[in-house]
Amino acid sequence: DTAVSQTPKYLVTQMGNDKSIKCEQNLGHDTMYWYKQDSKKFLKIMFSYNNKELIINETVPNRFSPKSPDKAHLNLHINSLELGDSAVYFCASSHGDRGSYEQYFGPGTRLTVT
Amino acid sequence: AQSVSQHNHHVILSEAASLELGCNYSYGGTVNLFWYVQYPGQHLQLLLKYFSGDPLVKGIKGFEAEFIKSKFSFNLRKPSVQWSDTAEYFCAVNARAGNNRKLIWGLGTSLAVNP
Repeated sequence: DTAVSQTPKYLVTQMGNDKSIKCEQNLGHDTMYWYKQDSKKFLKIMFSYNNKELIINETVPNRFSPKSPDKAHLNLHINSLELGDSAVYFCASSHGDRGSYEQYFGPGTRLTVT
Repeated sequence: AQSVSQHNHHVILSEAASLELGCNYSYGGTVNLFWYVQYPGQHLQLLLKYFSGDPLVKGIKGFEAEFIKSKFSFNLRKPSVQWSDTAEYFCAVNARAGNNRKLIWGLGTSLAVNP
């Protein structure tokens, strides 16, 4: 069974479109994260939710809106996509929001904006 | 501000060579330290972690790391690398950020092992 799953795995879309990426974890964790990894492999945290509550909201354009319907799910909606949004987006989860625990990563969603 | 510095951005080794990847952090409080690995085209997975106790920690696939508090360092080592160790390696430190604690990530080190 996949611990952290993301859909879709690949997403190719045009500038200006709106798209969503979904993430689900079956590990019983209460904290979930969205990361963006650019072409240079730089990993940047975007958001973190603990028990459906937003606890980390880094400097991210407000075109990006996360939603956590329950502890096991964290979705990412992106409005008005731009070329610079092209990246791999990773979802992760962990026990607790203190950063003390290992984060388990999903397989990533490769977003290409043309 | 807290930061994590990985000194080597690109490392190229031959098989059987020894590996040491540097990681330094800037945070004076209690820290938890991690090394993650990302194999080509895959997601990140934990190599090893340090929370407390013995500063020399052993991880998967023969990797180990040593926490030296006085040097704010957590260097990753492997005595003899294999071609399959070709990957991106990330150091991360759990540190306080405002009212929260979060992982601070290094920029990563790309390791290429030639057969």
